[in-house]
Amino acid sequence: TQLLEQSPQFLSIQEGENLTVYCNSSSVFSSLQWYRQEPGEGPVLLVTVVTGGEVKKLKRLTFQFGDARKDSSLHITAAQPGDTGLYLCAASQLGYQLIWGAGTKLIIKP
Amino acid sequence: GAGVSQSPSNKVTEKGKDVELRCDPISGHTALYWYRQSLGQGLEFLIYFQGNSAPDKSGLPSDRFSAERTGGSVSTLTIQRTQQEDSAVYLCAIASAHNSPLHFGNGTRLTVT
Repeated sequence: TQLLEQSPQFLSIQEGENLTVYCNSSSVFSSLQWYRQEPGEGPVLLVTVVTGGEVKKLKRLTFQFGDARKDSSLHITAAQPGDTGLYLCAASQLGYQLIWGAGTKLIIKP
Repeated sequence: GAGVSQSPSNKVTEKGKDVELRCDPISGHTALYWYRQSLGQGLEFLIYFQGNSAPDKSGLPSDRFSAERTGGSVSTLTIQRTQQEDSAVYLCAIASAHNSPLHFGNGTRLTVT
């Protein structure tokens, strides 16, 4: 069974701090997606990374795909209360099936 | 979410009753997924529809669960003889192609009492 491990499972920090969320596996993936989910809503895509070593930036969020395409990280700089939510990573191996991490619940306190 | 409407948004039912959950996507998306999410956890795959191909039902947890997609658009997920462990949020998602990012509805929160 392929696993996608996310860490930490829960993170509560003060506004303005930096944080990193990790998504790790022993399997190689063709692409990896990051989603954010707010209460009462479905997950919303933030980014897709495809190339090993790829770095993508979305305002204060920086996403990186590992060189071997087995892992990824999400770094948030100067976190804001609006960043609060459940962050999910999902990986693909060319087929239609996505393998999902269990999520990181992030709370940013003002 | 934009492009996918799910109903009802909340459903409370008694143990043993049947429930039907609906997913109404915008047109032009051939791929449709159903997922189950328990208490802010990750997503558990249930079923996948792609065009006119036979659906992938490998994620359905028991024969009490079934789903259909009519006319390549609206999909319904039916749970018969509901159990308390069926309580969860059921999410529908669409994609323009089998390897494209997913667009989710806001889900149906099912509570079995």
